Amino acid sequence: ETGVTQSPTHLIKTRGQQVTLRCSSQSGHNTVSWYQQALGQGPQFIFQYYREEENGRGNFPPRFSGLQFPNYSSELNVNALELDDSALYLCASSPGNSGFTAEQFFGPGTRLTVL
Amino acid sequence: QKEVEQDPGPLSVPEGAIVSLNCTYSNSAFQYFMWYRQYSRKGPELLMYTYSSGNKEDGRFTAQVDKSSKYISLFIRDSQPSDSATYLCAMGFTGGGNKLTFGTGTQLKVEL
Repeated sequence: ETGVTQSPTHLIKTRGQQVTLRCSSQSGHNTVSWYQQALGQGPQFIFQYYREEENGRGNFPPRFSGLQFPNYSSELNVNALELDDSALYLCASSPGNSGFTAEQFFGPGTRLTVL
Repeated sequence: QKEVEQDPGPLSVPEGAIVSLNCTYSNSAFQYFMWYRQYSRKGPELLMYTYSSGNKEDGRFTAQVDKSSKYISLFIRDSQPSDSATYLCAMGFTGGGNKLTFGTGTQLKVEL
C-alpha cells in the first residue's frame, strides 16, 4: 500500500509568483485536505476536497485554490505569493466520506520559501 | 484566544522517564482527539485518537480525554531517545468536515 506522497520536496519562489503543489493520496482514500504549517506552529487547515469538490475551507484568501482529480490526487495553487506564505505545506488523505474521519494520514510536505 | 492551546516546550527528560503532554481547548463541539508525532522536517504521523471522553492505551502510549475540563493528555512510558520529536494534539467533530484543529506542538527531547 502506497502512502501519501507530495511533490516537489522543496521550492523557492519570489514574491508575486504563482506555485502549484501536488499530492497523491493513499490508495483507497477519496478525501484530501491541505494544511499550512509555519515554523514553530501547528498545521492550519486550508481546505478539503471530497470526490473532486471543495468541501470545507479554512481562513485563507481566494488566492489559495485547489483541485482534485478523478484518481483523487490533488493540487494546491497559490497565486501572488507573499513572504508570509513561506511554510511547510502538508496534505492529508483519508478514506472518509463528507463527514469527519479521525484517521487522516499526512504526506511528508513541500517546503516553500518565498523571497 | 486559540481554540487549542499547547505548551510549546521544549521538554527535556531522561531516558526511561514518564512523559506527560497536554492540551486544552475551548470549543465544546470537539468530539475526536488525536495525537500526532512529527520529526524534524517531516509530516505528522498519527499516533492514536480517542472519541469523546475516556482513556485509550497503545503500547507505551496512553491518551486521556476529560471533556468536562476540556483537557487532553498523552502519556509516554519508558521514554526512549527515538521518542524525541514534536507532539501535536489535534481535534475535530462530525459536521466540521474533515478539518483538524491543531495545537502548536510540544517539542520533546529524551536524553541518554
